[in-house]
Amino acid sequence: QSVLTQPPSVSGAPGQRVTISCTGSSSNIGAGYAVQWYQQFPGTAPKLLISDNNNRPSGVPDRFSGSKSGTSASLAITGLQAEDEADYYCQSYGDSQSSPFVFGTGTKVIVL
Amino acid sequence: EVQLVESGGRLVQPGGSLRLSCAASGFTFRKYAMSWVRQAPGKGLEWVSLIGGSGGSIHHGDSVKGRFAISRDNSKNTLYLQLNGLRAEDTAVYYCTRVGAGTDPPFDYWGQGTLVTVSS
Repeated sequence: QSVLTQPPSVSGAPGQRVTISCTGSSSNIGAGYAVQWYQQFPGTAPKLLISDNNNRPSGVPDRFSGSKSGTSASLAITGLQAEDEADYYCQSYGDSQSSPFVFGTGTKVIVL
Repeated sequence: EVQLVESGGRLVQPGGSLRLSCAASGFTFRKYAMSWVRQAPGKGLEWVSLIGGSGGSIHHGDSVKGRFAISRDNSKNTLYLQLNGLRAEDTAVYYCTRVGAGTDPPFDYWGQGTLVTVSS
């Protein structure tokens, strides 16, 4: 029951730039709520990658960047590296009291 | 160092009950809201429940409302999730998360997860 839509997968060669879109609505991203991004490797817990649309927690490489516009957000990875191959999820807030937190459908980044 | 360690996941029959625990350390537990997020096998992330720092503000997602109950014991730095009336679709890894600071705070720390399997 993910409310935010992401492409199932994106791919790129090492060194390239890839972007992952996260499409919401006027009830979540478009309502002005911040977007966060999480990175998850197989068999491990998600890790916060980007908070508040474009802030990187300490230790996150600066090749990861986030942006937001209207009802959508994007995660960009520049200088793609083999170790970036993972699943990525966006997350925001929603107007619904029954589901204040909304996640994206998830995107697998494949490094060719 | 912030640490969140979940426990309590196991195989349980449909209709059964279970209590998950999450032991927190490395931060002032009572100052932070906490949440449970789950992930069914091969699927995406789903927010389950949230509790405020003092325990006074509680929210559950529609899919678990009336069946699950979140609670916390700030004297023990421990978060709980009571799961009742379990269904096959509740099968998932359950993650304990800390809700960070800010206007729209992120889930800034995650535990390693505990697997709940509902099957006969």
